[in-house]
Amino acid sequence: AQKVTQAQTEISVVEKEDVTLDCVYETRDTTYYLFWYKQPPSGELVFLIRRNSFDEQNEISGRYSWNFQKSTSSFNFTITASQVVDSAVYFCALKPISSGSARQLTFGSGTQLTVLP
Amino acid sequence: ETGVTQTPRHLVMGMTNKKSLKCEQHLGHNAMYWYKQSAKKPLELMFVYNFKEQTENNSVPSRFSPECPNSSHLFLHLHTLQPEDSALYLCASSQGAQTYEQYFGPGTRLTVT
Repeated sequence: AQKVTQAQTEISVVEKEDVTLDCVYETRDTTYYLFWYKQPPSGELVFLIRRNSFDEQNEISGRYSWNFQKSTSSFNFTITASQVVDSAVYFCALKPISSGSARQLTFGSGTQLTVLP
Repeated sequence: ETGVTQTPRHLVMGMTNKKSLKCEQHLGHNAMYWYKQSAKKPLELMFVYNFKEQTENNSVPSRFSPECPNSSHLFLHLHTLQPEDSALYLCASSQGAQTYEQYFGPGTRLTVT
C-alpha cells in the first residue's frame, strides 16, 4: 500500500514571498511516478508535473520548482515570488508503475495555500 | 469544447431522487475515472474505465452506478443517496490507465438533502 502525506494543511504568505509545500510518501514499489496538482476555487484539478522515481533531477518551470529526494521519500514544491493567483489547494500524488492491473493515484490530503496581496 | 467537461456543475437532490452526472473528454484518451472529494478528506477513487471496460471499483456502494458507453463519455447514475454522499465528484481521463497523468474536469458539486 502507498501513502502520501502533506503535513501542512494551510499556509499563508504575502505576495512575492517564496513558499515550499512539503510532500512525503511511502511505497513498497521500486518504480513509481510522483505528481503535483493545483486545485483553484473553481474546483478543477490542474496537472502541474509528473516525475519518475528513477529521475532525481530537480526541475524548474518558471516560478515553480520541484525537489525530489528519493533518500528521504520527499517531493517538495517551491513557488518563487508568489502571486495572489497561486492561491489554491495543492495536491501531491503517487502512482506505482506496474505492468499488471492499473494501480491508481494515491493523493495526499492537500495544502491550502493563500497568497495575500 | 476542450479538455474534460462535466455537467451539471451543481446538483441538489433528495434521497429518493434519481439523477445522473455526465463527463465528456475531448482529449482522445482511453481511460476515464470517477473520484469523490469530501471536505477534509483526500480524493477517493471510485471507478476506473479503460477502453470502456471497468477495471476498478473501489468498494463503492451500489447506489452509485457508472456507465461508459465509449471512451469519450462517462456517466455516474445516482439513486437513493444519503446526505453523507454530498461531495464534489470529479471526473478525469488519461491516455492510458497505467502510466499517464490524469486530466480532471471541474467537478459536480452534489448536495443530498
